Amino acid sequence: DADVTQTPRNRITKTGKRIMLECSQTKGHDRMYWYRQDPGLGLQLIYYSFDVKDINKGEISDGYSVSRQAQAKFSLSLESAIPNQTALYFCATSDSRDRTDTQYFGPGTRLTVL
Amino acid sequence: AQKITQTQPGMFVQEKEAVTLDCTYDTSDPSYGLFWYKQPSSGEMIFLIYQGSYDQQNATEGRYSLNFQKARKSANLVISASQLGDSAMYFCAMRGLHGSGNTGKLIFGQGTTLQVKP
Repeated sequence: DADVTQTPRNRITKTGKRIMLECSQTKGHDRMYWYRQDPGLGLQLIYYSFDVKDINKGEISDGYSVSRQAQAKFSLSLESAIPNQTALYFCATSDSRDRTDTQYFGPGTRLTVL
Repeated sequence: AQKITQTQPGMFVQEKEAVTLDCTYDTSDPSYGLFWYKQPSSGEMIFLIYQGSYDQQNATEGRYSLNFQKARKSANLVISASQLGDSAMYFCAMRGLHGSGNTGKLIFGQGTTLQVKP
């Protein structure tokens, strides 16, 4: 089984709809992240959480919110989806005890907003 | 501000040959980590290799090695004995490490698309 899972893997929605992307991990990591990737580009950080009670905005948090329900679960919500939020969304995890703090990514959710 | 630059949008390599993917970076953090990720056409991001700014030796992981030149601020990825399955986009990334203003943010380059020819 995959260490970091994301649901759904693909989603098509309409402008104005609320949508939630979910991420869960079995790696036992304390840190979790949400990124988005636009076609042909690198990744941009949306939100990150260093533990259950710690939530921080990334560089492109406008229009998004998150919830860290447990150490293993981190959800991303689009309150009112718009077409320019069409992108590939990645969840990632890392371990603060790891000196490298390497981030490991889930398989991604491909979101299309019509 | 931190910045990663990958100047090669696309590259070709013959199967079984070695290839170097370039990455230069800019940071004012005294302590940082450099990462390479592979993104095949299926879309997932796969961690390949890590180099710490204070690591004495260049990192190696199987067929992957990192040519780290700190003074030149470069962290080039070398893939030896290329295989068809190496065809993918490759991203160089950087972040500050613990105790140096670590905000959790990985800064990514624009990526290099590698195509391996049979």
